[in-house]
Amino acid sequence: QKEVEQNSGPLSVPEGAIASLNCTYSDRGSQSFFWYRQYSGKSPELIMFIYSNGDKEDGRFTAQLNKASQYVSLLIRDSQPSDSATYLCAVTPRGGTSYGKLTFGQGTILTVHP
Amino acid sequence: SQTIHQWPATLVQPVGSPLSLECTVEGTSNPNLYWYRQAAGRGLQLLFYSVGIGQISSEVPQNLSASRPQDRQFILSSKKLLLSDSGFYLCAWSVYRGRRVTEAFFGQGTRLTVV
Repeated sequence: QKEVEQNSGPLSVPEGAIASLNCTYSDRGSQSFFWYRQYSGKSPELIMFIYSNGDKEDGRFTAQLNKASQYVSLLIRDSQPSDSATYLCAVTPRGGTSYGKLTFGQGTILTVHP
Repeated sequence: SQTIHQWPATLVQPVGSPLSLECTVEGTSNPNLYWYRQAAGRGLQLLFYSVGIGQISSEVPQNLSASRPQDRQFILSSKKLLLSDSGFYLCAWSVYRGRRVTEAFFGQGTRLTVV
């Protein structure tokens, strides 16, 4: 079982729709959860982080965390063609010795078509 | 504000040649530093991390090594490159905010092609 799993997609949504990206993780003790966006040929850029169960909203983005189900998601409202990219879910393990090491999923390719 | 510099942006090297990639961080002190690699069509894999000068931890056995000669400088090296070393190499940094490590911020990356 992979430590962090994402559906590789591609996920295709029309412009203006809600895009829903999902991620599951295997380490129940994981502490911090991140969503990065990566355009082709570029480095990942942080979209959001979430530490606690529930929802966290930032503009058009909402991250949702359910630690009991070991599930984290990212919703993108009013999707735009500029949102087309690969979305990476990343997780840090439990404990002070994690040193911020990130375990990444394989990424979900999102395409927003006009 | 903090910035991270990574160079070169692209590199084509023959098999068996040495490698040196450099990364520097500005605007913060005592950062955690990381080297990740992204092979074509694959996710990011952590190669090395460092919590201080001279302190290097390796995550996977490989043909590469890392060094941290200064607080905000992180170097990735190889004595002899293999074809399998090709990939997109990313340097990243994070710091502690209270008891929690912040999110990681990535440099622009180096695309290495070994031929």
